[in-house]
Amino acid sequence: DTEVTQTPKHLVMGMTNKKSLKCEQHMGHRAMYWYKQKAKKPPELMFVYSYEKLSINESVPSRFSPECPNSSLLNLHLHALQPEDSALYLCASSQEIGLASYEQYFGPGTRLTVT
Amino acid sequence: KNQVEQSPQSLIILEGKNCTLQCNYTVSPFSNLRWYKQDTGRGPVSLTIMTFSENTKSNGRYTATLDADTKQSSLHITASQLSDSASYICVVSDMTTDSWGKLQFGAGTQVVVTP
Repeated sequence: DTEVTQTPKHLVMGMTNKKSLKCEQHMGHRAMYWYKQKAKKPPELMFVYSYEKLSINESVPSRFSPECPNSSLLNLHLHALQPEDSALYLCASSQEIGLASYEQYFGPGTRLTVT
Repeated sequence: KNQVEQSPQSLIILEGKNCTLQCNYTVSPFSNLRWYKQDTGRGPVSLTIMTFSENTKSNGRYTATLDADTKQSSLHITASQLSDSASYICVVSDMTTDSWGKLQFGAGTQVVVTP
């Protein structure tokens, strides 16, 4: 099974709401990633977790708060977002970070709209 | 400046025809190069991954080539099908950031296959 699942598929939230995006994989991967993708643009890396510890934070605003409760789950908590945060949020996983042979498997994404 | 440049930005081809997409990169030192296919609103799906020593790799009707000396790659689609309509993204890793799982994404080539 090479599947990464994400919920919800679509999310509409107001600027004062608090919501969470969820990502799950059962491939035994120890590295998990959050990306943000605007229309017609490539994905932008936000966070990387390695062995459930935050490894990279690409200077993401604090209104985005990642959490990795265990090796299979990755959450992204959202609070006080802005309309410009509307985008497709992609989760990915790989066996580990580093080494050329480790493929990143992407989930289908959550389409987020901030009103 | 983006270290991964793709061309053309978009193209339209007739079903059954072949096409070739180009990727030029300046990423150094080079680790590996990947081609992903991304359907609209979905996560990217890996087509091929090549390291420095590989100069061609196939996945069904998709064939990728790599010239590490000129820092160029191409993706050739043979006998195109309607389902090939998607964005094709070239992704390059370098030997330094690869250890942190950070990939350099091209902007993608949008391919539309028409009946």
